[in-house]
Amino acid sequence: AQSVAQPEDQVNVAEGNPLTVKCTYSVSGNPYLFWYVQYPNRGLQFLLKYITGDNLVKGSYGFEAEFNKSQTSFHLKKPSALVSDSALYFCAVRDDSNTGKLIFGQGTTLQVKP
Amino acid sequence: DGGITQSPKYLFRKEGQNVTLSCEQNLNHDAMYWYRQDPGQGLRLIYYSQIVNDFQKGDIAEGYSVSREKKESFPLTVTSAQKNPTAFYLCASSMGYASEAFFGQGTRLTVV
Repeated sequence: AQSVAQPEDQVNVAEGNPLTVKCTYSVSGNPYLFWYVQYPNRGLQFLLKYITGDNLVKGSYGFEAEFNKSQTSFHLKKPSALVSDSALYFCAVRDDSNTGKLIFGQGTTLQVKP
Repeated sequence: DGGITQSPKYLFRKEGQNVTLSCEQNLNHDAMYWYRQDPGQGLRLIYYSQIVNDFQKGDIAEGYSVSREKKESFPLTVTSAQKNPTAFYLCASSMGYASEAFFGQGTRLTVV
């Protein structure tokens, strides 16, 4: 069965420092991977996706993610964190049943302190 | 502006009542989805529809119903059979399998 794991409930970083939010996945075929961000009482906003090609994917707001097939990971990164990056981050993988369903991790709260 | 509109933003339901959450999209997407979000549990799929007049149960469909009579609309009814309906409900749509999903702003349902 497909699954996504975000091993950290919360990540704390200082403003200006690099940040990493971790995600590992389990799928039977080639993974289609996504990162979303959610601000309080709002919907999810798409950040980036990996379908195929380069292992380093660049997305919105300066975020990027590194796909590592051998480690089945898709960690979200940003070179320099902003206080405004503080939010809830979700990693997701497309279900391989061809229905387009997304399977989400449980989310990681990112707290960036000034 | 293209996007997904969910209404209402906040909804209060009395015990034993059915309530319907609206979801409309003008993105011309074929696929639409309903997710439920509870604290610490991520998002769980309730129902999805890949085409008009067709929909499938997700992982937690019990106590919910949907319809897909128009491409643009995918309303969700929370019935009295849903024992714990208090949650944040998110509607999404996507163009295809490799495409990202676009989400509405959510409806927060509270049982009073």
